[in-house]
Amino acid sequence: EIVLTQSPATLSLSPGERATLSCRASQGVSTYLAWYQQKPGQAPRLLIYDASNRATGIPARFSGSGSGTDFTLTISSLEPEDFAVYYCQQRSKYTFGQGTKLEIK
Amino acid sequence: QVQLVESGGGVVQPGRSLRLSCAASGFTFSTYAMHWVRQAPGKGLEWVAVISYDGSDKYYADSVKGRFTISRDISKNTLYLQMNYLTTDDTAVYHCAKDLSFGEFTGYFDYWGQGTLVTVSS
Repeated sequence: EIVLTQSPATLSLSPGERATLSCRASQGVSTYLAWYQQKPGQAPRLLIYDASNRATGIPARFSGSGSGTDFTLTISSLEPEDFAVYYCQQRSKYTFGQGTKLEIK
Repeated sequence: QVQLVESGGGVVQPGRSLRLSCAASGFTFSTYAMHWVRQAPGKGLEWVAVISYDGSDKYYADSVKGRFTISRDISKNTLYLQMNYLTTDDTAVYHCAKDLSFGEFTGYFDYWGQGTLVTVSS
């Protein structure tokens, strides 16, 4: 079973700052990785798929990179609405990482 | 616009059964694979099951295999999850989710319902 480990568990930043979230796979997953955003009381929203493709309607400040075992979600300049929990997910067995909480500093 | 609306959750005793439904609209339901994903209170996301666009292929997480059955009714644009032999570990919000691409499993979920809460408790 492929395990996804996200870091950090919590990231405290201010609006306007750059956010870098990491996801590491226990085995290579090529570029078959997605990122989701979830706000309290809401369903998750697909941000990035196949490591670097933005989903429909996702702002350009969100970008994804990586391949194999190491992946990064970058938010170039944080907006107030970006503070949420972010999950990575690999498409082989559909497993998710444990999440990174992005909170306002 | 795409809408997914789950129903059927509630409180159930361990060992009992429950059937969840997900009413889909705003897209051609018969051409997309569909998934169930759950989230225990305060916890992360766990994929549960997937069904192909035509219902011919179904796959399950090990944690639910042999107890849960996913199905779909194209005529009603509805996805189902039959859950048997429930345990307290099955307590979660259950979301249905649409697969990203037409006619295949991509394993990515581009639209999600708000979910229905299943509480397994004696």
